Amino acid sequence: EAGVTQFPSHSVIEKGQTVTLRCDPISGHDNLYWYRRVMGKEIKFLLHFVKESKQDESGMPNNRFLAERTGGTYSTLKVQPAELEDSGVYFCASSQLEDSQETQYFGPGTRLLVL
Amino acid sequence: GENVEQHPSTLSVQEGDSAVIKCTYSDSASNYFPWYKQELGKGPQLIIDIRSNVGEKKDQRIAVTLNKTAKHFSLHITETQPEDSAVYFCAASMNSGYALNFGKGTSLLVTP
Repeated sequence: EAGVTQFPSHSVIEKGQTVTLRCDPISGHDNLYWYRRVMGKEIKFLLHFVKESKQDESGMPNNRFLAERTGGTYSTLKVQPAELEDSGVYFCASSQLEDSQETQYFGPGTRLLVL
Repeated sequence: GENVEQHPSTLSVQEGDSAVIKCTYSDSASNYFPWYKQELGKGPQLIIDIRSNVGEKKDQRIAVTLNKTAKHFSLHITETQPEDSAVYFCAASMNSGYALNFGKGTSLLVTP
């Protein structure tokens, strides 16, 4: 079974540009999470989808970030316009509830560098 | 919100020795505590987890202990091997279907 995949693996853009990250969860997983790790800091939660609905977006830093999950399959995270402080590694995780318990499986991440 | 503290930030041990990483959390409502291992260029991989109705859990060379009263939990790796070298993250969560709150990570180096 394929794991969580993310594209691109790396992205280098200039301040003010737009970048779109994509996450493909494990097939059949209803839950999809976005996290971010800024250099030297902890991995921080951004938002959580259940199928196509945003369950919790309390971690989104500001309105320059837009996440979508049309059709409840893959998800995109768009940063527009990008700022220097947006640099970091963006992780996606997916899970499926079984007997009221879940395990979040992480993708390899997208390393974003804003110059 | 939940605050997870993790120590140490770096840990170097000799092959065959044990390694212990400790985490504390602030929200007494947290009841799920996973540990992830991240190798270079890869995403975090779950290695073991524990829920609040259990005090200890073991899987081969890896064990996790939980003290809910003191709000701390620890990862124990015995008989360490060079391939255990990685960054380890602890996390806490209220329940299934909620965001994970991570510690800052521990970079473990196992030297032959």
